[in-house]
Amino acid sequence: DAKTTQPTSMDCAEGRAANLPCNHSTISGNEYVYWYRQIHSQGPQYIIHGLKNNETNEMASLIITEDRKSSTLILPHATLRDTAVYYCIVISFWAGGGNKLTFGTGTQLKVEL
Amino acid sequence: ETGVTQSPTHLIKTRGQQVTLRCSSQSGHNTVSWYQQALGQGPQFIFQYYREEENGRGNFPPRFSGLQFPNYSSELNVNALELDDSALYLCASFKAGRANTGELFFGEGSRLTVL
Repeated sequence: DAKTTQPTSMDCAEGRAANLPCNHSTISGNEYVYWYRQIHSQGPQYIIHGLKNNETNEMASLIITEDRKSSTLILPHATLRDTAVYYCIVISFWAGGGNKLTFGTGTQLKVEL
Repeated sequence: ETGVTQSPTHLIKTRGQQVTLRCSSQSGHNTVSWYQQALGQGPQFIFQYYREEENGRGNFPPRFSGLQFPNYSSELNVNALELDDSALYLCASFKAGRANTGELFFGEGSRLTVL
């Protein structure tokens, strides 16, 4: 699995956009970029994923560079409830329809008033 | 909430003991994965069960074992507990196959403390 590199922590003012970067320079052509977040003492929660194109859903947007070596998760209007650890993961599928997630240490996002 | 439930939520064991953790997968999901999350670290993949068989394993010793039942629920068993086994154990489920989007649905975890 390709490794990912994320900043350890970031701060964001409530109501502003939170832009969380991730480096995955060794990603291979068939690997997807997934983002999960984990609010304190809860299980990780899926946010969004993409392969090549930018993606948007009700929670966030995902911008993947053309060379796919890095990506940015954007929370357009961060709220206090978005305070969490955000994990950028490159996912590998294997035969049989299975998949496993290789988590790093993630980025601790703190949203403040 | 994801519909994945785990029990117990908290438990304390002593070194050398054995523990069984349980997980009920979300309705419609046929695959269960288990992860170990030490304090301050990201979750680490232990293994995955599909059709009642282990079909993927991370870097964990054989004293970590599991089961999946016909209703797709699962158990994680850890024998000969060590202090370093203290962690949050997370269960995640999904539907393998063509419908697999790679999204895992996690439970809230079972926090194990080994004294």
